[in-house]
Amino acid sequence: EIVLTQSPGTLSLSPGESATLSCRASQSVSGNFLAWYQQKPGQAPRLLIYAAFRRATGIPDRFSGSGSGTDFSLTISRLEPEDFAVYYCQQYRTSVTFGGGTQVEIK
Amino acid sequence: QVHLVESGGGLVKPGGSLRLSCVASGFTFSDHYMNWIRQAPGKGLEWVSYISGGGNATLYADSLRGRFAISRDNAKNSLYLQMNSLSVEDTAVYYCARRGLGMRAFDMWGQGTRVTVSS
Repeated sequence: EIVLTQSPGTLSLSPGESATLSCRASQSVSGNFLAWYQQKPGQAPRLLIYAAFRRATGIPDRFSGSGSGTDFSLTISRLEPEDFAVYYCQQYRTSVTFGGGTQVEIK
Repeated sequence: QVHLVESGGGLVKPGGSLRLSCVASGFTFSDHYMNWIRQAPGKGLEWVSYISGGGNATLYADSLRGRFAISRDNAKNSLYLQMNSLSVEDTAVYYCARRGLGMRAFDMWGQGTRVTVSS
């Protein structure tokens, strides 16, 4: 099973700042079969990024994904108030697993 | 409009069984792999199972130890999860999610149905 480790656990930032979230895989996620999701309290997750860097339909361009192999990142430039949420990475290269999540909170 | 609506959650005693349903609308259901994902209270997401569009291929998380069974009825645009031998560790919100076409990420999620296993 591919284990995904997300860091940091919590990121405290102010609106307008940029956020960089990390997702490290225990083995290579070849083919870049990696996605990022946003989840707000009481809501279902929403797909942001798939195939490591492709934005899902309707996702603003302030969200960007990068990385390959075992190290991936999600960058949110110019945080908007609605961006404060929990973010999960997911690999679908071998079965499916999720990372433990990073909470982006208002400083 | 694309919708996934789960139902069937509730309170069940340890050792009991429950069947969850997910009804899809607004898209060609049989074109898509479908998934179940769960989230224990205050915890992260845990993938449970998937089923192919035609229903002939399934996969489960190792941790389930054969207690759950996924199925679908494309004529009814419905996805199911039969859960047996439930334990308190199965307490969670259960989401159904669609795998997108041309991608393997989950591009549409239902609102979830809550399952509580308690004596």
